[in-house]
Amino acid sequence: GQQVMQIPQYQHVQEGEDFTTYCNSSTTLSNIQWYKQRPGGHPVFLIQLVKSGEVKKQKRLTFQFGEAKKNSSLHITATQTTDVGTYFCADGLSGGYQKVTFGTGTKLQVIP
Amino acid sequence: NAGVTQTPKFQVLKTGQSMTLQCAQDMNHNSMYWYRQDPGMGLRLIYYSASEGTTDKGEVPNGYNVSRLNKREFSLRLESAAPSQTSVYFCASSHRGNNQPQHFGDGTRLSIL
Repeated sequence: GQQVMQIPQYQHVQEGEDFTTYCNSSTTLSNIQWYKQRPGGHPVFLIQLVKSGEVKKQKRLTFQFGEAKKNSSLHITATQTTDVGTYFCADGLSGGYQKVTFGTGTKLQVIP
Repeated sequence: NAGVTQTPKFQVLKTGQSMTLQCAQDMNHNSMYWYRQDPGMGLRLIYYSASEGTTDKGEVPNGYNVSRLNKREFSLRLESAAPSQTSVYFCASSHRGNNQPQHFGDGTRLSIL
């Protein structure tokens, strides 16, 4: 079935450094949703990208959708300790009507 | 406005015991979902209910049953718990239709001994 792979699986950064996680699919994605899960918490919806080549920003977070709609990235500028958590991408349609297929996630640790 | 509420938050079972995880949402969402989360494997869909009165299998339905009791409530039952079902279980809800963001509960941490 459809698989959405994320890299890296883990990332440790010094506070103030930038961070990027990548989401890749072997097939065309209908759309990409991004979620953040704080340690011990639940996933929280961040944003959705729909159009090929789309770029959206939320403060220090920049989300991109690839031109071929087979990949996406989340870039955090100047990380802060509040950015700690696991970031998931999710394909909104690959599993069928209303099913969302989540990527494996990237766990971010920020060292103060 | 509580969002998605899951009970219990923690549970320890012995192999072979049964239990029901409860989920309720107050956002008037039509669709509800049950996921399990295991280390390194992301979120895997167990069952979902696109609307009241319907349920469908997800990626990993074996060993589970669900009931969409009404529009607000969607329960997950383990009939005979197995150690492989030790996991964190999340309930989520969304508006009906494709590409809708999902809203998650706080999760149930379940250990099967």
